[in-house]
Amino acid sequence: SQTIHQWPATLVQPVGSPLSLECTVEGTSNPNLYWYRQAAGRGLQLLFYSVGIGQISSEVPQNLSASRPQDRQFILSSKKLLLSDSGFYLCAWSAGWLEGSPYEQYFGPGTRLTVT
Amino acid sequence: QQQVKQSPQSLIVQKGGISIINCAYENTAFDYFPWYQQFPGKGPALLIAIRPDVSEKKEGRFTISFNKSAKQFSLHIMDSQPGDSATYFCAAPSTSGTYKYIFGTGTRLKVLA
Repeated sequence: SQTIHQWPATLVQPVGSPLSLECTVEGTSNPNLYWYRQAAGRGLQLLFYSVGIGQISSEVPQNLSASRPQDRQFILSSKKLLLSDSGFYLCAWSAGWLEGSPYEQYFGPGTRLTVT
Repeated sequence: QQQVKQSPQSLIVQKGGISIINCAYENTAFDYFPWYQQFPGKGPALLIAIRPDVSEKKEGRFTISFNKSAKQFSLHIMDSQPGDSATYFCAAPSTSGTYKYIFGTGTRLKVLA
C-alpha cells in the first residue's frame, strides 16, 4: 500500500530564516505530487505540483519554491521566511500514468509552520 | 479566478440527524468531484467521490448528490454521529491543468451527542 510522509510535523522559525519541508511517498512510482497551504480556518491553496522529476509548476507567485530531486521526493523551500508564510503545509500525491487513478489525491499528515 | 462555493460555513446537527453540505462550481477540465474529511491537526482524508455520469453515489452513511446542469453537488451524512465532527471540503477540477483541484472553503460540522 502507499504511504506519504512529511517532516517535520511542527516548525517554528524566525522571519528571514530559510525553510525546507520534505515529503516522500512510498509504494508507488512516478506519482503526481502537490504542495498545498492551509491558513487557519481556511481552505486549501495549491502552491506547486509536479508530474515528474524536475518538472515543477507554480500556482501562486510567492516567497516559496519547490523541487523534486527524486521520483518520490518533493521539497518545499524558502530562502527567507515572511510572517505571512505561517500555515499548515500539506503534501499530496496522486497516481501517475499507468499506476492507477490520477484523480484521487491523498494527503500527508502536514507540517505546522509558525513564523515569528 | 476559478472558485468553488461551499456552504454552510459551519453546521451543528443532533446525533442521528442528517448533515447536508452544498457546493457550486464553475467550468471544469475533467469530471471527478471528491469530498475530503479533515480532523484538527491532521491532513484531509478522501471520503467519497463521484463522476457525473451518475447523479448519486452512496458509501455507507455518506451520499453525494450531483446536478451537472446546475453545476452543484452536495454531501449528505445520514445518521450523523459525534465521530463525524470534522471539517469537510469539496473540490472541483481546475480548468488550468491536469489533475488539479480547486477546494471549497470548508464546512465545520459538529454533531451533538
